[in-house]
Amino acid sequence: NAGVTQTPKFQVLKTGQSMTLQCAQDMNHEYMSWYRQDPGMGLRLIHYSVGAGITDQGEVPNGYNVSRSTTEDFPLRLLSAAPSQTSVYFCASSRDSYTEAFFGQGTRLTVV
Amino acid sequence: AQKVTQAQTEISVVEKEDVTLDCVYETRDTTYYLFWYKQPPSGELVFLIRRNSFDEQNEISGRYSWNFQKSTSSFNFTITASQVVDSAVYFCALSEADSGAGSYQLTFGKGTKLSVIP
Repeated sequence: NAGVTQTPKFQVLKTGQSMTLQCAQDMNHEYMSWYRQDPGMGLRLIHYSVGAGITDQGEVPNGYNVSRSTTEDFPLRLLSAAPSQTSVYFCASSRDSYTEAFFGQGTRLTVV
Repeated sequence: AQKVTQAQTEISVVEKEDVTLDCVYETRDTTYYLFWYKQPPSGELVFLIRRNSFDEQNEISGRYSWNFQKSTSSFNFTITASQVVDSAVYFCALSEADSGAGSYQLTFGKGTKLSVIP
């Protein structure tokens, strides 16, 4: 059972480039979310989805897009990378809003 | 708006000492859920415990124990006889069950970095 799988694990982008962080889960969870972790800031919610076709913004959505065409996948798109988006990104899934979230291994993104 | 405060940024203890990590939360909802996660140096996030707002019983799991007090809006985590393997960043988090249909907000504190010195 793979759980939550994120790819890539590491990425370096130049300012202005775009890219997609992939996230897939095999637990048939309805809820999926993306967080960014910055030093001293904890984890902050970027976007979330409560089911296929349904997405919404979290605390820090600017500069990111998401879509949820299937239950399994929830990709995060950086439209035009900026140095301020240098961070560690985590994807998570959960059965609902009050059970524990399972996290992927994280993606360390550096924008130069 | 919900909020989670972990006032202790970093704690260092000597192995075998007991240590308590504090977590204070704010919410307007009567139904909510509290979580603790561990992030070891390898970087993954590991779920430790969930507690709902209607269950104020303390919980013990081996060397770990949790003290939930609604009166002070606190959900503290104690490690007894700490070990070097306990060195990690620990996050407290809050989810409101009544945040509305189709809504989701799992809010994390900023984390407490625990260093256990041999």
